[in-house]
Amino acid sequence: AQSVTQLDSQVPVFEEAPVELRCNYSSSVSVYLFWYVQYPNQGLQLLLKYLSGSTLVKGINGFEAEFNKSQTSFHLRKPSVHISDTAEYFCAVSDQGGTASKLTFGTGTRLQVTL
Amino acid sequence: DTGVSQDPRHKITKRGQNVTFRCDPISEHNRLYWYRQTLGQGPEFLTYFQNEAQLEKSRLLSDRFSAERPKGSFSTLEIQRTEQGDSAMYLCASSGYEQYFGPGTRLTVT
Repeated sequence: AQSVTQLDSQVPVFEEAPVELRCNYSSSVSVYLFWYVQYPNQGLQLLLKYLSGSTLVKGINGFEAEFNKSQTSFHLRKPSVHISDTAEYFCAVSDQGGTASKLTFGTGTRLQVTL
Repeated sequence: DTGVSQDPRHKITKRGQNVTFRCDPISEHNRLYWYRQTLGQGPEFLTYFQNEAQLEKSRLLSDRFSAERPKGSFSTLEIQRTEQGDSAMYLCASSGYEQYFGPGTRLTVT
């Protein structure tokens, strides 16, 4: 079984400032890692994913994340945020070996960007 | 639009009534998932289909819940004798190599 911890429930940040959203995971097997974004009253949109290879992953909307196996972390970063980045962000893991590949999500981090 | 669609987007029902939700996946995807998301939480896995076969069900899926995927295309999720605790967003996702989510059905049980 896997679990995901997103320590920050809310992250306030000014527009054009950098931001980091933290994600730590626990698993007894190798995992795939994902970040999703959810805008109000909408479904989830995939920002980026780590499957294998380079530990620095670039996604859409200028976001990137770095997989750190020793620290079991997959923190999301953006060098300069925009008002439109205000949303809920979810980190998720799936089991590489399972046929279902169901996702286990964290509780989410609310990114609030202000002027 | 070739994304995942869900219907209805919102459903208000009285406690004890039955409700049914529909999910239309991306046409070439053979895997389909249902998740439930309550306020302030991340989505939680409910069940999974590979084509028309339901291969896994979460312990969250009580006997009042049933899901089908006839012919391996669209899927339905039915909740019988709804309870206030069933109020949540029900999300459907389909996948080839990664999961794509629909907009969700928000259920409110009064």
